[in-house]
Amino acid sequence: SQKIEQNSEALNIQEGKTATLTCNYTNYSPAYLQWYRQDPGRGPVFLLLIRENEKEKRKERLKVTFDTTLKQSLFHITASQPADSATYLCALDSYSGAGSYQLTFGKGTKLSVIP
Amino acid sequence: DAGVIQSPRHEVTEMGQEVTLRCKPISGHNSLFWYRQTMMRGLELLIYFNNNVPIDDSGMPEDRFSAKMPNALFSTLKIQPSEPRDSAVYFCASSEGPVGGHQPQHFGDGTRLSIL
Repeated sequence: SQKIEQNSEALNIQEGKTATLTCNYTNYSPAYLQWYRQDPGRGPVFLLLIRENEKEKRKERLKVTFDTTLKQSLFHITASQPADSATYLCALDSYSGAGSYQLTFGKGTKLSVIP
Repeated sequence: DAGVIQSPRHEVTEMGQEVTLRCKPISGHNSLFWYRQTMMRGLELLIYFNNNVPIDDSGMPEDRFSAKMPNALFSTLKIQPSEPRDSAVYFCASSEGPVGGHQPQHFGDGTRLSIL
């Protein structure tokens, strides 16, 4: 069966350290992968998109890798800050079989950056 | 740009009642998505539209759920009759470009629905 797993439900990290979040999937063939941030009581906000033929993508303190052999994406936040505390969702962008692509989301990892 | 606007933000009603959730997508976006989020199941796609036409409604849980998009600036998700297990946060999202364009989705802040 198809499955998307994000490494843990919660991750605590000290301010200034690098946070690494993991997204593993089985029985999907995503062409793209997206990462979103969700704050309590708010909708998800898009952060980064990476294509299957890209190994790595960066945006300011964020870095995403995508390994289609391992079926894994890693999401890094360098020099983490308390304001980075939120839930981070990975989403697989794959063919739906209905003539189009759609996003399937993982359940998310709640990151807490401790001052 | 006001972003995706959803109403109401909160809805509490008794089981058996009809519930209507509303969404105004970002102007110029031609794809619209309805999702449901629960602790147990996470964020699940219910239905999506492209150019106001429903493309895939395979995520709609039952015939009690229906969605319409009468024009490019408005969509509704209706539950009739509602049941306690429908309690969840319902999100609307929109994106630009064709379906399959691998575009970022822009989410509203959701409707928190509680069915008593």
